[in-house]
Amino acid sequence: DTAVSQTPKYLVTQMGNDKSIKCEQNLGHDTMYWYKQDSKKFLKIMFSYNNKELIINETVPNRFSPKSPDKAHLNLHINSLELGDSAVYFCASSLQHGLNEKLFFGSGTQLSVL
Amino acid sequence: QQQVKQSPQSLIVQKGGISIINCAYENTAFDYFPWYQQFPGKGPALLIAIRPDVSEKKEGRFTISFNKSAKQFSLHIMDSQPGDSATYFCAARNYGGATNKLIFGTGTLLAVQP
Repeated sequence: DTAVSQTPKYLVTQMGNDKSIKCEQNLGHDTMYWYKQDSKKFLKIMFSYNNKELIINETVPNRFSPKSPDKAHLNLHINSLELGDSAVYFCASSLQHGLNEKLFFGSGTQLSVL
Repeated sequence: QQQVKQSPQSLIVQKGGISIINCAYENTAFDYFPWYQQFPGKGPALLIAIRPDVSEKKEGRFTISFNKSAKQFSLHIMDSQPGDSATYFCAARNYGGATNKLIFGTGTLLAVQP
């Protein structure tokens, strides 16, 4: 009964390939996110969706395309993978209590581009 | 530029000691300041959060101290335990503003020695 689950946990691929990471949340939240954590542990938001609508799109290369088929799912597709894409990608969903917000993160997908 | 600056980068504390992690911010429009805890191989999880209308919030062994005039806030872990060993992230958010997203600090790797 994992709250935010993402697959796969590990992804090893060659440069130039296309890959997808899937995320599902069973918390009933309206908002979902993709975060990237680099080798120095720095966490940076990439995208945010609210009820299937894109609301935050950071300066992420066009090779990254999120898709939200419904509010419980947010997938990330990456085209033409590059060495610099190697990182841990976290999916998250959030519950807004008034002005406060609690993010629930998945366990991450460690992407290694060779 | 880094909107939330966190220090130290790493911290070693003896069991039973006090761990202190500091964060500073520039944007006075930030109105929500959470701390997240991340264990290896896991996603970050909300630990404790504060809003700027109070100067301190305590939950068990964890306390946030907030200094609005200095634009600084810190996490204090009393009676630190080996199980507290993790990476800690401060964050800030301006609800409804241009930065209506959580901006994370760079993280502090805490090691509590038995």
